[in-house]
Amino acid sequence: EPEVTQTPSHQVTQMGQEVILRCVPISNHLYFYWYRQILGQKVEFLVSFYNNEISEKSEIFDDQFSVERPDGSNFTLKIRSTKLEDSAMYFCASIRSLGGTEAFFGQGTRLTVV
Amino acid sequence: KQEVTQIPAALSVPEGENLVLNCSFTDSAIYNLQWFRQDPGKGLTSLLLIQSSQREQTSGRLNASLDKSSGRSTLYIAASQPGDSATYLCAVPDQTGANNLFFGTGTRLTVIP
Repeated sequence: EPEVTQTPSHQVTQMGQEVILRCVPISNHLYFYWYRQILGQKVEFLVSFYNNEISEKSEIFDDQFSVERPDGSNFTLKIRSTKLEDSAMYFCASIRSLGGTEAFFGQGTRLTVV
Repeated sequence: KQEVTQIPAALSVPEGENLVLNCSFTDSAIYNLQWFRQDPGKGLTSLLLIQSSQREQTSGRLNASLDKSSGRSTLYIAASQPGDSATYLCAVPDQTGANNLFFGTGTRLTVIP
């Protein structure tokens, strides 16, 4: 069964460093998303991506964040200068089309900023 | 903005019991509602997707119902097992824009052997 894959599963980084989280969405899906979940809190939307550009972003997704689809399969989230409060689980998701199709999530990357 | 609420926050039941998890949402104009399972420190596994035109959806021992007009969904788990212990999340997509999901805070279920 097709699945969304994320790497790495866990990343520890020092405050101020740049990190890149990687995702491979399901191959015939067109819309890609990043969400995050701070420990003990709700899963929150960060950004959506379609046709090689951002289609929507939340207020959390400020200038320190960026997304990219560098090739036909990978979808990345970059955090330029990490802060302690960026420590969270980051999930990638994809859907085939708009209008009510099922969302599939990866297993997540646990980011710990020290 | 859509608000999604789940009650109870935590639930502990003996093995074999049937149980119901509740999800409510403030904006009834939804395409669908999706139930997920999350094991501690792990990703989100999709359990059931119920479309706005449906009232029920079943998968094995799981049954999800949807009442759009009242903004409610329930997830019924029959004959619970210790392996069902996890956090259960419900989510609805934003009708506008890119259909990003709004999540509830989840119900943490513990099934006692």
